[in-house]
Amino acid sequence: AQSVTQLDSQVPVFEEAPVELRCNYSSSVSVYLFWYVQYPNQGLQLLLKYLSGSTLVKGINGFEAEFNKSQTSFHLRKPSVHISDTAEYFCAVRYTGTASKLTFGTGTRLQVTL
Amino acid sequence: DVKVTQSSRYLVKRTGEKVFLECVQDMDHENMFWYRQDPGLGLRLIYFSYDVKMKEKGDIPEGYSVSREKKERFSLILESASTNQTSMYLCASSPQGDTVGDEQYFGPGTRLTVT
Repeated sequence: AQSVTQLDSQVPVFEEAPVELRCNYSSSVSVYLFWYVQYPNQGLQLLLKYLSGSTLVKGINGFEAEFNKSQTSFHLRKPSVHISDTAEYFCAVRYTGTASKLTFGTGTRLQVTL
Repeated sequence: DVKVTQSSRYLVKRTGEKVFLECVQDMDHENMFWYRQDPGLGLRLIYFSYDVKMKEKGDIPEGYSVSREKKERFSLILESASTNQTSMYLCASSPQGDTVGDEQYFGPGTRLTVT
């Protein structure tokens, strides 16, 4: 079965520190990868996506992610976080042939403090 | 800007009631989706639709049905609400079927409490 794993349910970090949120997916021939962010009391919005080409993808708000096919990972990083980055982050995978359906991870709550 | 709106932000219903959750998108998207979001479980797909009057079951369709009579509107129906359907419900839409890289656009969610 297709699956997405976000091992860290919560990540506490101090403001201006770097952060990495981990995402692994079950192996497949071809995948498209997404990171979404959900701020409190809001729906999800797209941070970035990987379709093909360069394995390093840059998104909004200074976030970036690296696609690693051999490790089936798509970890999200930011070199210096801000209080306003406090939110829930979801990794999602679209497996080819699944007609636009996304499989989501269970989410990682990023808590940024002073 | 793509806009996906949901009829209510908060809803409280009694066990056994029939509940309608409405979702409207203004971008002429073919695909629409209903998810439920629960702590520690992420988003789980209930139903999706790739065209008017077309629907497919997602991962957790039991206890739910859907209706899509018009392209812009996708309704989720709880035939007889139960307490285990207390959850956050998210609607999403995306463009035509199998295009590579179609992102989904989400509504703000409806927090449903069944008492």
